[in-house]
Amino acid sequence: EPEVTQTPSHQVTQMGQEVILRCVPISNHLYFYWYRQILGQKVEFLVSFYNNEISEKSEIFDDQFSVERPDGSNFTLKIRSTKLEDSAMYFCASSRQVHEQYFGPGTRLTVT
Amino acid sequence: QQQVKQSPQSLIVQKGGISIINCAYENTAFDYFPWYQQFPGKGPALLIAIRPDVSEKKEGRFTISFNKSAKQFSLHIMDSQPGDSATYFCAARRSSGDKLTFGTGTRLAVRP
Repeated sequence: EPEVTQTPSHQVTQMGQEVILRCVPISNHLYFYWYRQILGQKVEFLVSFYNNEISEKSEIFDDQFSVERPDGSNFTLKIRSTKLEDSAMYFCASSRQVHEQYFGPGTRLTVT
Repeated sequence: QQQVKQSPQSLIVQKGGISIINCAYENTAFDYFPWYQQFPGKGPALLIAIRPDVSEKKEGRFTISFNKSAKQFSLHIMDSQPGDSATYFCAARRSSGDKLTFGTGTRLAVRP
């Protein structure tokens, strides 16, 4: 069964550094998403991406964040200058249509 | 108005019993209601979903009941098994948007 994959599984970075989180969505999916989950809290939407552009973003997704689909298979989330409060699990998701979003295993980001 | 309220926060059920998790929403623009199951260290996995044009959907031991007038929906897990022990999230999506708005999660423990 096709799955969303994410790398790395765990990223440790220092405050102020840039990080890039990578995702490979399910191959025939057209919609891509990033969510995050701070430890013990609910899953929060960051951004959705369709047809090579952002279709929706939350108030969390400020100028420090960007997304890109650099080739036909990868989907990335970049945080330009990480803050302590960016520490969370980041989940990539994809869907063929707008509903039925399938999530990857996540990248645990630790900002020290 | 964008919130989805979920209860209980935690639930302990004996093996073979019925687990019931409830969610309520305010935004009548929500038109898609999935449930996700999350095991520790893993991403949320889509379990079952419903649209407001039906009052119930069943897949195996999992049933969603939907009450449009009360703006409530619930997940019933019949014949609960220890392997069902996980955190369950309800979610909702607006017809005009991409993002899933998640509930706060219910940690289910099924005792052998």
